[in-house]
Amino acid sequence: GDSVTQMEGPVTLSEEAFLTINCTYTATGYPSLFWYVQYPGEGLQLLLKATKADDKGSNKGFEATYRKETTSFHLEKGSVQVSDSAVYFCALLTGANSKLTFGKGITLSVRP
Amino acid sequence: DGGITQSPKYLFRKEGQNVTLSCEQNLNHDAMYWYRQDPGQGLRLIYYSQIVNDFQKGDIAEGYSVSREKKESFPLTVTSAQKNPTAFYLCASSIGTSGVLLGELFFGEGSRLTVL
Repeated sequence: GDSVTQMEGPVTLSEEAFLTINCTYTATGYPSLFWYVQYPGEGLQLLLKATKADDKGSNKGFEATYRKETTSFHLEKGSVQVSDSAVYFCALLTGANSKLTFGKGITLSVRP
Repeated sequence: DGGITQSPKYLFRKEGQNVTLSCEQNLNHDAMYWYRQDPGQGLRLIYYSQIVNDFQKGDIAEGYSVSREKKESFPLTVTSAQKNPTAFYLCASSIGTSGVLLGELFFGEGSRLTVL
């Protein structure tokens, strides 16, 4: 079945550091891929998405590229801020399932 | 402002009691969802509904029940049959019922249920 694997956390970085959060997937067909963010005490928000191979999603300085050859959708940001501290979830959607499959999430803490 | 409202934010329950979590949306979205979030396990789908008076089981529906009598409302009942109900519950909606719009979810702020 469809699945999403995220790197183990938590991740702690200093402000202005470069961020990479790995996400790989297993899916039948051609999934759409998503990153969601959950700030402390809140629900999830859609951060970015990509719907086909080589698409790049971007938002709020975050980027992720849909790599079909490596079945990956890694999240990157060039310079993190304290306000980026949150839990980040990778997710996929296939036509077969018609519902999102989420990864386990990873907690990012950014130190001033 | 449009959005999803969940209530209560915190709820305590004694073992053996049923409890109902409220979810209301004024986004005019067709599809609504209930997820359970446990530390280190991500989000797991409990139930979802794509149209009024219809709903489907998700991956962990046992011990839960839902109704969808109105488009804007999708309450979740955690029954006494749910063996481990202590968790953070999230309600979500999506404007579409097909295609990539199914993946663009809007979430409420969640309800934290603790069984004493």
